[in-house]
Amino acid sequence: GAVVSQHPSRVICKSGTSVKIECRSLDFQATTMFWYRQFPKQSLMLMATSNEGSKATYEQGVEKDKFLINHASLTLSTLTVTSAHPEDSSFYICSASLTSGGYEQYFGPGTRLTVT
Amino acid sequence: AQKVTQAQTEISVVEKEDVTLDCVYETRDTTYYLFWYKQPPSGELVFLIRRNSFDEQNEISGRYSWNFQKSTSSFNFTITASQVVDSAVYFCALSERSSNTGKLIFGQGTTLQVKP
Repeated sequence: GAVVSQHPSRVICKSGTSVKIECRSLDFQATTMFWYRQFPKQSLMLMATSNEGSKATYEQGVEKDKFLINHASLTLSTLTVTSAHPEDSSFYICSASLTSGGYEQYFGPGTRLTVT
Repeated sequence: AQKVTQAQTEISVVEKEDVTLDCVYETRDTTYYLFWYKQPPSGELVFLIRRNSFDEQNEISGRYSWNFQKSTSSFNFTITASQVVDSAVYFCALSERSSNTGKLIFGQGTTLQVKP
């Protein structure tokens, strides 16, 4: 089956620093990648949708300048949390889809970000 | 507007009991897809099933079965003879054809605890 990896799996950073999270589709080309955020005991909240080579589409209420998304290739998307603050601490999950508008999403294992 | 409701926040059963997780959805699309995912304590989402809006046939996979009823906009999930390993958070999700990106709208999740 399709495999999606995320790196790092856990990261602790100091307030004010930036953190980059990578999402890779290992055995397929992902036209579309999604980034989700999940707070403890809550559901997944879609942050943005990105297509290779184009700007990401952010959901309402998600700050574009704070959560920078780059989808540079068909197998790699990155999420950079800029000037992180403790309230950004969360579980970040990416997913990848084989085709644009395809409805099968393959999820990465998630990255737990803790900002101190 | 699109919405997924999982009214049961937490369910606790004893091993070998059957348990049904409810999912009710709202959409104006005639073409849509419904999903169930399992999220064990490790955090990684595990795909369980995808069902399109034109296929109302119930599905059985081992101890898992799904009942899709368009008349009541429900897509319920039953685990037969539950096991401790079934303990996890289960999410129901909806993807609308009109979104063009395949983005998923998740329910709030149901935490299932299976006690030995």
